[in-house]
Amino acid sequence: EIVMTQSPATLSMSPGERVTLSCRASESISSHLAWYQKKPGQAPRLLIYGASTRATGIPARFSGSGSGTEFTLTISSLQSEDFAVYYCQQYNNWPRFGQGTKVEIK
Amino acid sequence: EVQLVESGGGLVQPGRSLRLSCVASGFTFDDYAMQWVRQGPGKGLEWVSGISWDSGAIGYADSVKGRFTISRDNAKNSLYLQMNSLRHEDTAFYYCAQANGAGSYASQWGQGTLVTVFS
Repeated sequence: EIVMTQSPATLSMSPGERVTLSCRASESISSHLAWYQKKPGQAPRLLIYGASTRATGIPARFSGSGSGTEFTLTISSLQSEDFAVYYCQQYNNWPRFGQGTKVEIK
Repeated sequence: EVQLVESGGGLVQPGRSLRLSCVASGFTFDDYAMQWVRQGPGKGLEWVSGISWDSGAIGYADSVKGRFTISRDNAKNSLYLQMNSLRHEDTAFYYCAQANGAGSYASQWGQGTLVTVFS
């Protein structure tokens, strides 16, 4: 079973700041990693798949990197609508999510 | 526009059954794998089950294996989740999602249906 670990659990940030979220897999998953955004009362939204490919309609301020066991989601300049919980998900085996990182307003 | 509309959620006692449905529109349903993902109260996202376009590949999370059954009817553009022997810990919003594969990432999501298991 592949375990996904996200850090930190919570980030307190201000609009305009650069945000870096980390995700680690317990074993290599190649580039089979996706990132999702989840807001209360809304459906999850796919941001990144294949570790670094932006999904359709996702702004360029969102970028993903990494391969193997270490992955990063970067938001280059945080907008008000970006405050949410972010989940990584491996799909090298049957999918499994990390526990999430909450990006909150500082 | 892709639309996924879940239904069938509600209040149910432990040990009982419930069947969730998801009706899809706005895309060619039998071109895509589909999945169910849930989020319990105060918890993170949990992948529940996935099914390939032709039902040839099916997978389940360990937490539901042997109790839940995923199926689809391509003629009706519909996805189903039969949930048996429900437990308190199955309480969650259940989301239907269009996926790149039965065990791949999910690109489009429904708004979810709430299942509450209570004594």
